[in-house]
Amino acid sequence: QSVLTQPPSVSAAPGQKVIISCSGSNSNVGNNYVSWYQQLPGTAPKLLIYENNKRPSGIPDRFSGSKSGTSATLGITGLQSGDEADYYCGTWDYSLSSGAFGGGTKLTVL
Amino acid sequence: QVQLQESGPGLVKPSETLSLTCTVSDDSVSSGLYYWSWIRQAPGKGLEYIGYIYYTGGTKYNPSLKSRVTISADTSKNQFSLKLTSVTVADTAVYYCARGAVGANCFDPWGQGTLVTVSS
Repeated sequence: QSVLTQPPSVSAAPGQKVIISCSGSNSNVGNNYVSWYQQLPGTAPKLLIYENNKRPSGIPDRFSGSKSGTSATLGITGLQSGDEADYYCGTWDYSLSSGAFGGGTKLTVL
Repeated sequence: QVQLQESGPGLVKPSETLSLTCTVSDDSVSSGLYYWSWIRQAPGKGLEYIGYIYYTGGTKYNPSLKSRVTISADTSKNQFSLKLTSVTVADTAVYYCARGAVGANCFDPWGQGTLVTVSS
């Protein structure tokens, strides 16, 4: 049972936009920065978004993040087949005094 | 660029201790800017946070694993290590080491990961 809640799967056609949600509580998302990771099949996770909405160098602006209250979202525009991956949100949880991740969302590009 | 590389046995017997080391290149485990962290992923499952060590030697562990986990660092070798005692088949996972940014709650980069199987 993950501390943060994500939809198990989302799908959209190439070129379209998709939004992945991450729901938490005041002990985690509501009072901490959220980060997002992309995990391509058979590889380690890669940082996509940090501090809610900032992109590391090299991450295309097709990827965006936002946060409102105890929920965060990852948006991906101009979907490509290469975007098929699992996506995870992460943050710190004050109650647990531990890092926390969502259960992951599998993105399928139809 | 910063690189992290996990190493250790790929097979551990039930009830024994899992030991892994992460070697850091082009950064220092003595840096006060980062938490040096361990994260695992059971086959077909999501990410699970294990814990971190800070340059002061301070540590934080996931409460669900706290009684069995120890993370330590060897600054002379620029490495940090994970020990997980009394393992069971439920501890079978890919174990990742990662650099965590203080304040930003994010991990970058990650090591490539190493699969540890618990089996007799």
